[in-house]
Amino acid sequence: DAGVIQSPRHEVTEMGQEVTLRCKPISGHDYLFWYRQTMMRGLELLIYFNNNVPIDDSGMPEDRFSAKMPNASFSTLKIQPSEPRDSAVYFCASSRQGQYEQFFGPGTRLTVL
Amino acid sequence: EDQVTQSPEALRLQEGESSSLNCSYTVSGLRGLFWYRQDPGKGPEFLFTLYSAGEEKEKERLKATLTKKESFLHITAPKPEDSATYLCAVQAGGYKLSFGAGTTVTVRA
Repeated sequence: DAGVIQSPRHEVTEMGQEVTLRCKPISGHDYLFWYRQTMMRGLELLIYFNNNVPIDDSGMPEDRFSAKMPNASFSTLKIQPSEPRDSAVYFCASSRQGQYEQFFGPGTRLTVL
Repeated sequence: EDQVTQSPEALRLQEGESSSLNCSYTVSGLRGLFWYRQDPGKGPEFLFTLYSAGEEKEKERLKATLTKKESFLHITAPKPEDSATYLCAVQAGGYKLSFGAGTTVTVRA
């Protein structure tokens, strides 16, 4: 089975621009997680979904961030407008109902100039 | 709030020199403790889940153990390919994991 797929792998944009990150979870997994990783703050959970429904978005830093999961095989994380402090690696992970291990994608390295 | 503290921050080993990494946690009602390995430029890779004090899991040169307050990841006779950052995470409720800052291990040949 293919693992978690994320695109793009790298994104460089200018402050104020809209950024959309994409994720395809492992087939059959019911949970999808969005994380952000920085040197200062480590790996932080932003939001997670169960069966396409957002369950906990308490980690979303502010209203500039939004996430959607229109179907079981696709999710997006959008930042609008982007700011330099949003520069980080964003990971998507998925897990199966009843199994708590999360499997991570390769990440998207975002640089906001 | 769940707290996960990993030590040391960095560990430099000679090939074959065994050592241990520590993960101490403060959480109400631990459901599971997870170890991940992360290579530069890649996502965390799942290694082990431990559910109860006294439990041990092994994979090649790695062995994870769990007590009521901490977990250890023992690396026996490490090789250069064991160089990575090792992350510990705890699960207290639901499906959320809280991660520690990680221990970066460098194994020299």
